[in-house]
Amino acid sequence: NAGVMQNPRHLVRRRGQEARLRCSPMKGHSHVYWYRQLPEEGLKFMVYLQKENIIDESGMPKERFSAEFPKEGPSILRIQQVVRGDSAAYFCASSPPGGRGNTIYFGEGSWLTVV
Amino acid sequence: SQQGEEDPQALSIQEGENATMNCSYKTSINNLQWYRQNSGRGLVHLILIRSNEREKHSGRLRVTLDTSKKSSSLLITASRAADTASYFCATDPRETSGSRLTFGEGTQLTVNP
Repeated sequence: NAGVMQNPRHLVRRRGQEARLRCSPMKGHSHVYWYRQLPEEGLKFMVYLQKENIIDESGMPKERFSAEFPKEGPSILRIQQVVRGDSAAYFCASSPPGGRGNTIYFGEGSWLTVV
Repeated sequence: SQQGEEDPQALSIQEGENATMNCSYKTSINNLQWYRQNSGRGLVHLILIRSNEREKHSGRLRVTLDTSKKSSSLLITASRAADTASYFCATDPRETSGSRLTFGEGTQLTVNP
């Protein structure tokens, strides 16, 4: 059973370009979470999605950031017009359906560098 | 202090010694989870302890939870060089949806051979 798969692992973008990060949850998991980790810091919650629904986006910056989890295919975190401050590791996590308190499993992360 | 704040920020010990890391939080929780992160890698789930549990063991790991003090500790016994990593506690607050976690800033553990 493959774990949470993220790609790309590393991404370099110039300022003003778009970054798209993809996440395939573990098999059978219908809940997806995105977190951001700045250097030397802990993870900060960004958004919680279920299939075709954004449940909680309270951690998402108001502009340039968007996330989706379509009926088919991976979850996508999209960052438009990237700036240097967007350089960070972006982690996706998933958990099974059935309510609260489930263990959340993380992917290996996507490291975004904006030059 | 922030929800899920670890103490100490950094810890350096010799192989074979025990390592204890503490975590404090502010709000009521559904559960508390500990994760390990090696440099440049993702998070590895270590232990989940529910709010009605006081202690949990997994191999060389022992986690305690004191909900009255809103604190948890992670003990690694007989440490090995391979235990060198950052350790994070994460709380699953009762008032949020799903299993959204709030992470602390982590403890950087270095185990010297």
